[in-house]
Amino acid sequence: AQTVTQSQPEMSVQEAETVTLSCTYDTSENNYYLFWYKQPPSRQMILVIRQEAYKQQNATENRFSVNFQKAAKSFSLKISDSQLGDTAMYFCAFMDTDKLIFGTGTRLQVFP
Amino acid sequence: DAGVIQSPRHEVTEMGQEVTLRCKPISGHDYLFWYRQTMMRGLELLIYFNNNVPIDDSGMPEDRFSAKMPNASFSTLKIQPSEPRDSAVYFCASSLRTNEKLFFGSGTQLSVL
Repeated sequence: AQTVTQSQPEMSVQEAETVTLSCTYDTSENNYYLFWYKQPPSRQMILVIRQEAYKQQNATENRFSVNFQKAAKSFSLKISDSQLGDTAMYFCAFMDTDKLIFGTGTRLQVFP
Repeated sequence: DAGVIQSPRHEVTEMGQEVTLRCKPISGHDYLFWYRQTMMRGLELLIYFNNNVPIDDSGMPEDRFSAKMPNASFSTLKIQPSEPRDSAVYFCASSLRTNEKLFFGSGTQLSVL
């Protein structure tokens, strides 16, 4: 069965700095998709970024980028120029067919 | 489109009562998912549907839980009888097709006393 591991329960970063959230996964599949979702205190689940495993190029969305290492089964999220509004839970997720499997999340606190 | 709509936003009930959570997916989306979020277990997939047909219900915790999708625009998750350990946030999500991103509703906070 596929598993997703986020080894950092909590992280903190100062405003305007850069922070990297870690994620590893386990699968025997070759074609799959990876996601990062953000959950602010409002509890809404918001898609941050999506990566297709067959694409070697790392996905980027404005201040958010990923470091996708397929051989190592690693999918970290880098947030540049952190803002107070980035404070949230961040979930890494894996999808190979229809199901989206989530990691346990990393709570990120951005402080002034 | 208004997005995925869930109701109620909050539900407080007593142990033993029946609870029904409702979801309206985004129009045209073929997939609908029910997730449960707790502090201890994180986000768990309970069941998902494709074109109104249940595909995988292996995450449904026990027979007290049931889900239906009578048409493309409506789904329910029912717990009967409810227990305090069912207290959680229940999310509904939909997607256009397989391997596409999921759009989540705002969730139902369920408290069973």
